[in-house]
Amino acid sequence: GQNIDQPTEMTATEGAIVQINCTYQTSGFNGLFWYQQHAGEAPTFLSYNVLDGLEEKGRFSSFLSRSKGYSYLLLKELQMKDSASYLCAVSDSNYQLIWGAGTKLIIKP
Amino acid sequence: GAVVSQHPSWVICKSGTSVKIECRSLDFQATTMFWYRQFPKQSLMLMATSNEGSKATYEQGVEKDKFLINHASLTLSTLTVTSAHPEDSSFYICSAREATPQETQYFGPGTRLLVL
Repeated sequence: GQNIDQPTEMTATEGAIVQINCTYQTSGFNGLFWYQQHAGEAPTFLSYNVLDGLEEKGRFSSFLSRSKGYSYLLLKELQMKDSASYLCAVSDSNYQLIWGAGTKLIIKP
Repeated sequence: GAVVSQHPSWVICKSGTSVKIECRSLDFQATTMFWYRQFPKQSLMLMATSNEGSKATYEQGVEKDKFLINHASLTLSTLTVTSAHPEDSSFYICSAREATPQETQYFGPGTRLLVL
């Protein structure tokens, strides 16, 4: 079967760095997406990785290792507004997105 | 970036009535749109995949006669909840997939449906 695993909840301190991990097992692979979802709102696109390595976009970076079926989202200089759920999703061989359950990130002052 | 709009953002209706939700891709053409439902504190659940000009593909357990989907153009898909009941109250979110190698899904802002 297809499976995406990510931690249910993480807590971090304002100004610090946090890494949210995602492991996957899917039928084929056409890229991995990270989305941010604030409570009561729809998800917004953060990043896309299809090749191994690190993609940096401002305070957010996303890493992919296809051989390990592993990705992480790195958030630097955490701000209170970063409190949200972070969703990992993999595009399978049919370009269908397989969604993780999301990681709720709690930022404390 | 790609923008997806959804209308209405809030709906309150009586049990037994039908509700139509529109999803539009504003600055790109989307051959494929998706409809999701999300209950409080739960994960996104894909309801159906909508392809322009053809019938929608529904996920297991989703009643196609209750949730009617029409994808009449490359920028518009509609979801009609027929004979709505209180258990249909949820957050309905559409997404549109950009026709690029990346095929990113961009989400609309969602529609909150409350059935009394």
